[in-house]
Amino acid sequence: EAGVAQSPRYKIIEKRQSVAFWCNPISGHATLYWYQQILGQGPKLLIQFQNNGVVDDSQLPKDRFSAERLKGVDSTLKIQPAKLEDSAVYLCASSLDPTGSEQFFGPGTRLTVL
Amino acid sequence: RKEVEQDPGPFNVPEGATVAFNCTYSNSASQSFFWYRQDCRKEPKLLMSVYSSGNEDGRFTAQLNRASQYISLLIRDSKLSDSATYLCVVPSYSSASKIIFGSGTRLSIRP
Repeated sequence: EAGVAQSPRYKIIEKRQSVAFWCNPISGHATLYWYQQILGQGPKLLIQFQNNGVVDDSQLPKDRFSAERLKGVDSTLKIQPAKLEDSAVYLCASSLDPTGSEQFFGPGTRLTVL
Repeated sequence: RKEVEQDPGPFNVPEGATVAFNCTYSNSASQSFFWYRQDCRKEPKLLMSVYSSGNEDGRFTAQLNRASQYISLLIRDSKLSDSATYLCVVPSYSSASKIIFGSGTRLSIRP
């Protein structure tokens, strides 16, 4: 079974630039999550989708971050403009349902903002 | 009180030792909990689910203490390959379908 795919794996940009990340979840998984993980911390949920609807985006900095999952399958997360403090690993995960079942994570995108 | 708290460690123990660490949570209505393992520069992976009284899988035992609102992870006969960060995951106050990751406990097994 193919896992969660993410691209790119690494990205280096300068502050105030824009960046986009892509995620393709495991086939059949209705729930998709984007997490931000800063070095030394646990993953912090940015946004959770159930199919193509947003379940939770309370911790998404909406002035600069946006995410979509238009067809209920793959998803993109965008940052515009980036700040130094956005340097982190952005993890995408998917699960069969949102009620606490196992989440499967992609390898993440390591973002460095200079 | 934070929704989830873990001792960051690092725990540095010799191979073969038994090690345990706890995770406290604040949502007393929580029913299910999880331990994830994260290797250095890798993504988290589910280690164990914890329901009702606990769970055991080989050398790993997870227990739930509802009265004191913590879950624990016990690793017996530790191996070098157990070196990783262990993330505790608990349900959130704010949403039944939302879970919160702890900041993780770093474990280092030395030869």
